[in-house]
Amino acid sequence: DGGITQSPKYLFRKEGQNVTLSCEQNLNHDAMYWYRQDPGQGLRLIYYSQIVNDFQKGDIAEGYSVSREKKESFPLTVTSAQKNPTAFYLCASSKGGLAQFFGPGTRLTVL
Amino acid sequence: SQQGEEDPQALSIQEGENATMNCSYKTSINNLQWYRQNSGRGLVHLILIRSNEREKHSGRLRVTLDTSKKSSSLLITASRAADTASYFCATAMNSGYSTLTFGKGTMLLVSP
Repeated sequence: DGGITQSPKYLFRKEGQNVTLSCEQNLNHDAMYWYRQDPGQGLRLIYYSQIVNDFQKGDIAEGYSVSREKKESFPLTVTSAQKNPTAFYLCASSKGGLAQFFGPGTRLTVL
Repeated sequence: SQQGEEDPQALSIQEGENATMNCSYKTSINNLQWYRQNSGRGLVHLILIRSNEREKHSGRLRVTLDTSKKSSSLLITASRAADTASYFCATAMNSGYSTLTFGKGTMLLVSP
């Protein structure tokens, strides 16, 4: 049963804490992406990776970090440097850079 | 900055009616894609149209692309309550591996 999973579904963070959002895919896709979505808004690209051990900043990378040690996994860390992290985070993957397949999302709330 | 801008922002129709959403963009593209998002969920890819194509169909979906006007439209025919969702257009500037730039979406409500 192929797909892309994200965990946790809901995450609460205290100010000053780093948190890591998980994204795993078993679609054998080369490229993976992280987006942020704010209420009533479209998606904004945080980071993306086209191959293992390589990744590039998107439009809003400040305050975030990623790693791509395995093809299947692309975790996103929201650091304390991100001043307004409350948002819905979506991970996606694609093969050949065409249609993207999305995970169910993680809703992060800062307390 | 966001490349695609959808119009209208919100659309409310009755079941059985057709729904048309429009997307405008600013720079040349390789392809344009439409996605659907149910409330609080991930996005689902609906259809991709390349810059050298003018029209594409998939089931009850019809997408057109006018590169001279830098615009696209998504038509959903015979709408159902299950079509209630937000619809986003996304543009890719390059072929091969290319990031997508999303618009803010059109929220569609289909009433029974």
